[in-house]
Amino acid sequence: EDKVVQSPLSLVVHEGDTVTLNCSYEVTNFRSLLWYKQEKKAPTFLFMLTSSGIEKKSGRLSSILDKKELFSILNITATQTGDSAIYLCAVLKWNNNDMRFGAGTRLTVKP
Amino acid sequence: NAGVTQTPKFRILKIGQSMTLQCTQDMNHNYMYWYRQDPGMGLKLIYYSVGAGITDKGEVPNGYNVSRSTTEDFPLRLELAAPSQTSVYFCASTPQGNSPLHFGNGTRLTVT
Repeated sequence: EDKVVQSPLSLVVHEGDTVTLNCSYEVTNFRSLLWYKQEKKAPTFLFMLTSSGIEKKSGRLSSILDKKELFSILNITATQTGDSAIYLCAVLKWNNNDMRFGAGTRLTVKP
Repeated sequence: NAGVTQTPKFRILKIGQSMTLQCTQDMNHNYMYWYRQDPGMGLKLIYYSVGAGITDKGEVPNGYNVSRSTTEDFPLRLELAAPSQTSVYFCASTPQGNSPLHFGNGTRLTVT
């Protein structure tokens, strides 16, 4: 059975802290791993990772994939209250583009 | 630029009633998906479609049906609503296989 496991499930930090969110996976026919941010409504896309060891970066957010150890991390530096959200990890499979999500990490950034 | 539009935004159903959640996209995307999101459970795939006339089951298809008669529309049908179907439902689309999903704003459904 395919699994996408995120940790921690919940995290509370203060502004300025750096956080690392984890996503491990066990899926057949792995194609890509994606990170989304979900505030009040629809998830919004952050990163898509296909190759191992290549860091994707956008401002204070960065992410990397390890296809040998089957995990990815999402780093957020100098956190701000606007980073408070649920961060979702998803794995895209080759067969018919089936995309499976983890349970998410709820990040709360306090002023 | 509407993107992915879901209607209704909210709905309360009684046990045993039926309803259709509407989803339409104006981006000419081939791939469309229905997910449900329960608190603390992430998103579970219900059904998906890789093009008009083609649909496939996801992780949790029981109690639901879909159709894809056009590229734009991908309605989700609940025939006999049950309390276990209380959830937030998201429709999503993408133009091709290896690309991010575009999500609608969701439909919050309560079955009592």
